[in-house]
Amino acid sequence: KAGVTQTPRYLIKTRGQQVTLSCSPISGHRSVSWYQQTPGQGLQFLFEYFSETQRNKGNFPGRFSGRQFSNSRSEMNVSTLELGDSALYLCASSGWETGTASYEQYFGPGTRLTVT
Amino acid sequence: GEDVEQSLFLSVREGDSSVINCTYTDSSSTYLYWYKQEPGAGLQLLTYIFSNMDMKQDQRLTVLLNKKDKHLSLRIADTQTGDSAIYFCAARGDSGGYQKVTFGTGTKLQVIP
Repeated sequence: KAGVTQTPRYLIKTRGQQVTLSCSPISGHRSVSWYQQTPGQGLQFLFEYFSETQRNKGNFPGRFSGRQFSNSRSEMNVSTLELGDSALYLCASSGWETGTASYEQYFGPGTRLTVT
Repeated sequence: GEDVEQSLFLSVREGDSSVINCTYTDSSSTYLYWYKQEPGAGLQLLTYIFSNMDMKQDQRLTVLLNKKDKHLSLRIADTQTGDSAIYFCAARGDSGGYQKVTFGTGTKLQVIP
């Protein structure tokens, strides 16, 4: 089956602008989660969506928001960009494998955001 | 808040076993995970364990959980050069009505041929 896709792969924005990142999960997965990875702060959990509802979230300011559509695709938005928002943004698609009841999670390649 | 700690670096010889350790602080952690990140290959969920389990084995991987000491370990048997990567431990726990996942800083595993 097709993997998790993220668009765009690379993005350069200016401070104060806003940005929207997109994530398409694996077919059949209804949960999408977002993460930020930076050299200084490491991997940090942003939020998690399931069936169009935000179910869990990390400790990020309100400038970071997201949504999930009925086809499980998700978008993440960052408003009023700051230099510190430069990072690799990863999304993951997850679900429970039918038959084995085993949890599976797959990550996309990430969107590299540079804020200048 | 939750804190997850790992040592930064581990070096082992090919064929030996590797043991990567992790400690966490939140006793409400329900799921604990191990991830692998290779340059250019993205992040991969290796395995996970529920907090009510002590051990989980999956092929060459063995996860041990000591809930009393809040200590998690990942043992890789017969370590290969392809196992060279950064390994992240993560814990899912309650945080203000939500669940939050906290990652460790990652342990860089170097496998010497």
